Amino acid sequence: DAEITQSPRHKITETGRQVTLACHQTWNHNNMFWYRQDLGHGLRLIHYSYGVQDTNKGEVSDGYSVSRSNTEDLPLTLESAASSQTSVYFCASSVSLRKAEGAKNQPQHFGDGTRLSIL
Amino acid sequence: GEDVEQSLFLSVREGDSSVINCTYTDSSSTYLYWYKQEPGAGLQLLTYIFSNMDMKQDQRLTVLLNKKDKHLSLRIADTQTGDSAIYFCAERPFSGGYNKLIFGAGTRLAVHP
Repeated sequence: DAEITQSPRHKITETGRQVTLACHQTWNHNNMFWYRQDLGHGLRLIHYSYGVQDTNKGEVSDGYSVSRSNTEDLPLTLESAASSQTSVYFCASSVSLRKAEGAKNQPQHFGDGTRLSIL
Repeated sequence: GEDVEQSLFLSVREGDSSVINCTYTDSSSTYLYWYKQEPGAGLQLLTYIFSNMDMKQDQRLTVLLNKKDKHLSLRIADTQTGDSAIYFCAERPFSGGYNKLIFGAGTRLAVHP
């Protein structure tokens, strides 16, 4: 069965360190997304990609970067971890839709999340 | 603009019906989704509704859509303890090319005996 996996599931690190969270999907989806989940804020979009070599900033992209060198992976890097980046991070993927395809249902599929603590 | 709002908490007695409400702002959204998040897990797609529908029923779940008021609700009949989770409403607007979802903050449903 196709799936989307995140690693590690839990990580503790120190401020100032570089951290990379992995996301791997076997759905062969073009779209991939990174969210962070914080109490009272729901899910906020960090970065997203619509295909290989494509990356875009979401609403809370400062301090984060992504790269898309293949279809399956979208690693999320915190260049210099800050305590404000302590959160639960979720990766998601979906089939890519053209604007004329609004009538098609293509939901996002989520990984199980990475709980990141920055001390 | 794009914004999705939900109440943050709902408590119900086991066996009663639960109704979780959501309002959204973008009338261009063609699909609206409900996701369920159990403790320590990711989001799982629970159900969805297409914007030209008023209602969708799926076993114990009923989704109602009032497109004029941009109001979405999820009714869970005969609520069980296994339904305790966070429920997220999400819209899929044209502005994201139908490729992005805008999520609400989530409603935590607590089911008590």
